[in-house]
Amino acid sequence: DTGVSQDPRHKITKRGQNVTFRCDPISEHNRLYWYRQTLGQGPEFLTYFQNEAQLEKSRLLSDRFSAERPKGSFSTLEIQRTEQGDSAMYLCASSAGAGANVLTFGAGSRLTVL
Amino acid sequence: SQQGEEDPQALSIQEGENATMNCSYKTSINNLQWYRQNSGRGLVHLILIRSNEREKHSGRLRVTLDTSKKSSSLLITASRAADTASYFCATQPEYAGGTSYGKLTFGQGTILTVHP
Repeated sequence: DTGVSQDPRHKITKRGQNVTFRCDPISEHNRLYWYRQTLGQGPEFLTYFQNEAQLEKSRLLSDRFSAERPKGSFSTLEIQRTEQGDSAMYLCASSAGAGANVLTFGAGSRLTVL
Repeated sequence: SQQGEEDPQALSIQEGENATMNCSYKTSINNLQWYRQNSGRGLVHLILIRSNEREKHSGRLRVTLDTSKKSSSLLITASRAADTASYFCATQPEYAGGTSYGKLTFGQGTILTVHP
């Protein structure tokens, strides 16, 4: 499978717990994005990596959120002390870079915080 | 924050009919893209139109772009039940300061339902 993989697909957790999502982008893509999507809305940008460098973070990404992309390959998004408002679909996307930025998305990780 | 708005929010048609969705945006763009999302899944890229283009075709898809009005439309001709999905426009800003990564900003989407 050469697409973008995300794991887990679904996560149910209790408020206050930490969760971590993993994204494996298309191997030749050097750009990786995290977006968050709530019901009935379009995806909202969270953060962006070029190789291993995190180049931009949205103000939506509070101090409880951290993302990493060690060695410029897979990426993780961790949410600490989850809140009910964190319930959403977390989408990872990658792109090859240069010129027009066409994103290839993963299937998403759905988080439900009880 | 969302870049713009899509209209209508929901559209229900019969198979074989054409479906038109509109997108408005706020800032100057390098290109505008349309994505499709089936329920509970990731988004799939459909078509891209650059700021210097006015119309583009891909199969049953036709996209127009009016940069003076900051608006775009997506036309799906001869719709099929399998076209049922949410459709999102996304804009990439003009390149600034030599950087070219241009993160995409998505609209709120149009939910299209095609009845067999």
